[in-house]
Amino acid sequence: AQTVTQSQPEMSVQEAETVTLSCTYDTSESNYYLFWYKQPPSRQMILVIRQEAYKQQNATENRFSVNFQKAAKSFSLKISDSQLGDTAMYFCAFPNNAGNMLTFGGGTRLMVKP
Amino acid sequence: DTEVTQTPKHLVMGMTNKKSLKCEQHMGHRAMYWYKQKAKKPPELMFVYSYEKLSINESVPSRFSPECPNSSLLNLHLHALQPEDSALYLCASSQGAASRGYTFGSGTRLTVV
Repeated sequence: AQTVTQSQPEMSVQEAETVTLSCTYDTSESNYYLFWYKQPPSRQMILVIRQEAYKQQNATENRFSVNFQKAAKSFSLKISDSQLGDTAMYFCAFPNNAGNMLTFGGGTRLMVKP
Repeated sequence: DTEVTQTPKHLVMGMTNKKSLKCEQHMGHRAMYWYKQKAKKPPELMFVYSYEKLSINESVPSRFSPECPNSSLLNLHLHALQPEDSALYLCASSQGAASRGYTFGSGTRLTVV
């Protein structure tokens, strides 16, 4: 069974600085997608970034980038130039073997301080 | 239209009430999902509909009854709920397999009194 682990329940960062959120997972699959979702206090889950496992290049979306280490089964999210609006819960997510549902990590609560 | 719309946004109901949550998408997505989320916890899967058929039921109590009348609409019928059922209920949809990711609605905050 797939497991997704986020080892940092809470983190804080000063505005304009860089922060990295960690995620590890376990799978026997060779080709899959990995996701980071953001859930601000407004509670809507928003897709931040997606990584395809067969791609060597790490995904980047503006200030958000991933460090994907397939052999280590690690998928961390780096947020550069942190903004107050980045304050949210961040969930790492991974599909099950059948590809018919996503499993979420326990979440990391990120607070960006002015 | 790239949204998943959930109504109502907030719902307070008594333990003897019957109510329904509604979820709608017009993106042509063929899979739709109900998740339950408690405060500071990740979403927990309840039901999956694929091509309008129930494909996954994660051992959810029968007081929750899903319905998918058509490919754009997903309902969750609620009856005889308990206070511990108070939570955020999230609907999501995906274009075919979940493996490519979901689009989420903004949720219904349910309080059972």
